[in-house]
Amino acid sequence: NAGVTQTPKFRILKIGQSMTLQCTQDMNHNYMYWYRQDPGMGLKLIYYSVGAGITDKGEVPNGYNVSRSTTEDFPLRLELAAPSQTSVYFCASSRTGEIEQYFGPGTRLTVT
Amino acid sequence: GQSLEQPSEVTAVEGAIVQINCTYQTSGFYGLSWYQQHDGGAPTFLSYNALDGLEETGRFSSFLSRSDSYGYLLLQELQMKDSASYFCAVRSKAGTALIFGKGTTLSVSS
Repeated sequence: NAGVTQTPKFRILKIGQSMTLQCTQDMNHNYMYWYRQDPGMGLKLIYYSVGAGITDKGEVPNGYNVSRSTTEDFPLRLELAAPSQTSVYFCASSRTGEIEQYFGPGTRLTVT
Repeated sequence: GQSLEQPSEVTAVEGAIVQINCTYQTSGFYGLSWYQQHDGGAPTFLSYNALDGLEETGRFSSFLSRSDSYGYLLLQELQMKDSASYFCAVRSKAGTALIFGKGTTLSVSS
């Protein structure tokens, strides 16, 4: 099993551009999550999903959108990128509940 | 609001024992988790406590006191590879996701 995979690993965006961060898991987990981590800080939840077709906002959803059309994929869309969105983005999944989450390697995004 | 407090840095030497504390303030509580993260890599799950008491997994143990809204991670026989950031996280409502603390950076020296 590859676990949780994320693409791209790195990206530089100009202000106002848009992009989609991809996340795929092959563990047949129902729950998937998107976090951002700013330097020296903990993880802040952006959006999460408890199953295909179901998504909900986390702590910091503004400026982002998600969709969950399949169990495996949970893409994160950034519209009109802003410097405040410069961060490392982690996708995670868990089988049931949130006891043990499996994280992807992260996407390092810079908006200039 | 909801918050988790943990020390920002801890230092120790190889072979020693270190305790990383976490206090939380949340509207509800379903469990306290601990994650390890090396140099900005992917966080990895270490332990989970839903009930009061101590959970032991090898060199690592985790403790929870629900009445005190407090928990800690205990690392024994420290090794250089234990140098990392450690995050506590709380699930405050059923069916929702974790809230993470800001992390504690552990530096282990020889």
